[in-house]
Amino acid sequence: DTAVSQTPKYLVTQMGNDKSIKCEQNLGHDTMYWYKQDSKKFLKIMFSYNNKELIINETVPNRFSPKSPDKAHLNLHINSLELGDSAVYFCASSQASQSSYNEQFFGPGTRLTVL
Amino acid sequence: RKEVEQDPGPFNVPEGATVAFNCTYSNSASQSFFWYRQDCRKEPKLLMSVYSSGNEDGRFTAQLNRASQYISLLIRDSKLSDSATYLCVVNQGGFQKLVFGTGTRLLVSP
Repeated sequence: DTAVSQTPKYLVTQMGNDKSIKCEQNLGHDTMYWYKQDSKKFLKIMFSYNNKELIINETVPNRFSPKSPDKAHLNLHINSLELGDSAVYFCASSQASQSSYNEQFFGPGTRLTVL
Repeated sequence: RKEVEQDPGPFNVPEGATVAFNCTYSNSASQSFFWYRQDCRKEPKLLMSVYSSGNEDGRFTAQLNRASQYISLLIRDSKLSDSATYLCVVNQGGFQKLVFGTGTRLLVSP
């Protein structure tokens, strides 16, 4: 009964390849997020979707394209992978409400290594 | 200047010690504040929210000073299991755009 799950957990690939990471949450939340944690452990938001609608799109290269087929799923597709894309990618979800104090629940992360 | 700044540590303390972490944020329009905890090679998890009046949860006390744009976390009677990285997190508003500090590493030794 995992709350936020991601697949795969590890991803090793060559530069130039295209890859996808999948995320699913069974918490009934309306909002989902993608974060990137780099080698210096700095965690930064990339995208957020609320009810399948893109609401946060930080300065991320166009090679990154999120897709939300329904509000329980948020996938991340990365084209033409570069060495600098190596990082841990975390998916998260939260309730959408007027409160700014909603907890975000994180998935276990996908460790991407680009060779 | 980073949006959320923390001392990276590590803080090495013996069991039973009291330790305090500080954090400053640059965006005065920030709406809500949190401490998250991240264990090695794991996902971040919410430790506690930080309210203007200050709040306490067992051995953990969080304080917020909006005028100084400063957040603190106090851990009393440290346990070995408190060893982790503590992330100061600020919600800059709208749909919960969380901005994370780089984290402060705590090592509690026997």
